[in-house]
Order: sequence, then structure tokens, then C-alpha cells
Amino acid sequence: GNSVTQMEGPVTLSEEAFLTINCTYTATGYPSLFWYVQYPGEGLQLLLKATKADDKGSNKGFEATYRKETTSFHLEKGSVQVSDSAVYFCALRSYNQGGKLIFGQGTELSVKP
Amino acid sequence: EAQVTQNPRYLITVTGKKLTVTCSQNMNHEYMSWYRQDPGLGLRQIYYSMNVEVTDKGDVPEGYKVSRKEKRNFPLILESPSPNQTSLYFCASREIGTATNEKLFFGSGTQLSVL
Repeated sequence: GNSVTQMEGPVTLSEEAFLTINCTYTATGYPSLFWYVQYPGEGLQLLLKATKADDKGSNKGFEATYRKETTSFHLEKGSVQVSDSAVYFCALRSYNQGGKLIFGQGTELSVKP
Repeated sequence: EAQVTQNPRYLITVTGKKLTVTCSQNMNHEYMSWYRQDPGLGLRQIYYSMNVEVTDKGDVPEGYKVSRKEKRNFPLILESPSPNQTSLYFCASREIGTATNEKLFFGSGTQLSVL
């Protein structure tokens, strides 16, 4: 079945460091891929998405490229800020069950000043 | 302001005492869904609804009920809560059938503890 695997957290970085959070998926066909972010005490918010192979999603300095050959959708940011501290979820959209989102386990990011 | 509203934010209860978590959205979305979030497991779908009076099971429906009598509301009902239902719950909604329907809007969550 469809699934999403993310790198284990927590990830702790200093401000202005480079960020990579790895995400790989297993799916039939070509699902849409997403990154959602959850700030402390809040619900999830869509950060970026890509709907087909080689698409690059970007938002707020974050980027992720849909790589069909490696079934990956790694999240990157060139220079993180303290305000980026949050939990990041990679997800794919299933074509059954009403198009539900299948989430990875989440990766907690902590950025220190 | 477009939003999904859940209540309550925090709830402590005892085993077997029926409870309802409410969810309401003001965006006229057809699709609504409930997820639970547990450490190391990410979010897992409990139930979803494609429209009024249309509901279906997600991946972990045991011990839960839902109803969709109105388009804006999608309450989650625990008839006889047990400690393994202690979790953080999220309601979410989105459109169906448009170019923007990929974005799921989430509520702020309900932290439930069953003693």
C-alpha cells in the first residue's frame, strides 16, 4: 500500500544553517506530494506541494522536488531561522478513500539562536 | 476568516464516559475528515465525509463514530472512550473537484486524555 517515510527527529540546527529533511514514498501511480508544517499548539498548514514528477514546490524559502526515479520529496532550506522551529510532515495524496492524505511520522525541527 | 474550528482544545475524561468533539468549517467544503496524531505514527485518518450524509471509515475507525447532518459540521463521537484513545485529534476540510482542492485546512486540535 501507499506509505511515506521521513527521517527521524528531532533535528537541531543553529540559525542560518542549511536544512534537509528526507522523505521517501511508496505509491502506485503518480500521487501528489506535500509538506505540511505544524507550529507549536497549532494545526497543520500546507507548506508546499508538487503534483507531478520533476515539479519543484517552494514557499517561505523552503523547497522540495518531486523525484520519481528515487521516489523522494526531500525538504530543503538554505538558511533556517528560529521561527522555523516546528514539526514537518511529508504526505502523499492517495487515490482511494476520498483522496485522503497519507502522512509520514513527522520530523521535529528545533533552531537555536 | 476561513477556518476550521474544533472544540474543546483540551479534554480529560474517564473510561466509558461518552464524549463528542465538535468540528465546524466556514468554507462550504464538501470534504471533511478526522485524524489522530500519535508520537512516532504521524497522522492517521479515523473517518471522512465526502458530503452531507456521506461518511466512510478511514484507517483507524474502531471506537469512533461520526455524523454529517449539515455541510459545515462533522462531530467525532466516542461512545465509550478507552485509554488507548488518548491522543491529539485534528479535524480537516477541503473542497472537492476544483484546482484548489489539494489543500487541506486543519483545525487547531483537541488533546484528549482518557483516564
